[in-house]
Amino acid sequence: RKEVEQDPGPFNVPEGATVAFNCTYSNSASQSFFWYRQDCRKEPKLLMSVYSSGNEDGRFTAQLNRASQYISLLIRDSKLSDSATYLCVVNRVAAGNKLTFGGGTRVLVKP
Amino acid sequence: ETGVTQSPTHLIKTRGQQVTLRCSSQSGHNTVSWYQQALGQGPQFIFQYYREEENGRGNFPPRFSGLQFPNYSSELNVNALELDDSALYLCASSISGRAYEQYFGPGTRLTVT
Repeated sequence: RKEVEQDPGPFNVPEGATVAFNCTYSNSASQSFFWYRQDCRKEPKLLMSVYSSGNEDGRFTAQLNRASQYISLLIRDSKLSDSATYLCVVNRVAAGNKLTFGGGTRVLVKP
Repeated sequence: ETGVTQSPTHLIKTRGQQVTLRCSSQSGHNTVSWYQQALGQGPQFIFQYYREEENGRGNFPPRFSGLQFPNYSSELNVNALELDDSALYLCASSISGRAYEQYFGPGTRLTVT
């Protein structure tokens, strides 16, 4: 079983709609959680950290459920520019601050 | 742009050959991590360097090795290339203590034939 698992998608989303997707992690000792965004043939970029109480950054909302070991990302009012692969990332200090990436969820926003 | 640069951009090698990939960190960043990203997958951690010492390693064989220099730039060396080594190799720099906030370079796309 992979340490971080994501639905690969693609999620086809009409422009202006809301889309949400989850990521599950297997190691309960995971301490920090992040969403990175990767555009086609580009490098990953940090989108947002995920805090225990949940957090928002503009149209993006991230949630963490430690009991069920999953994190989620919700995108409201989707824009064409939101089309990308969203990578779920977990970090464990005990693992030397190594970032473990999921396989990514592809989102395609269409007019 | 992140300020992290990698060279070369693309590379084609033959099975059994050796390759060296290079990375220059963002100014002020003293930690460098290397990742392998196969097509359609997420980046897989290879190893991390801090103060010129290996500071953590993923599940990669010893033929994957690295170096970090006093100016924090880094090299990834892969010996005895195999077809499965074909991938995008990403370098990411960060500040010690904030290793979760990594800034990635554009990557080197390696093709092994």
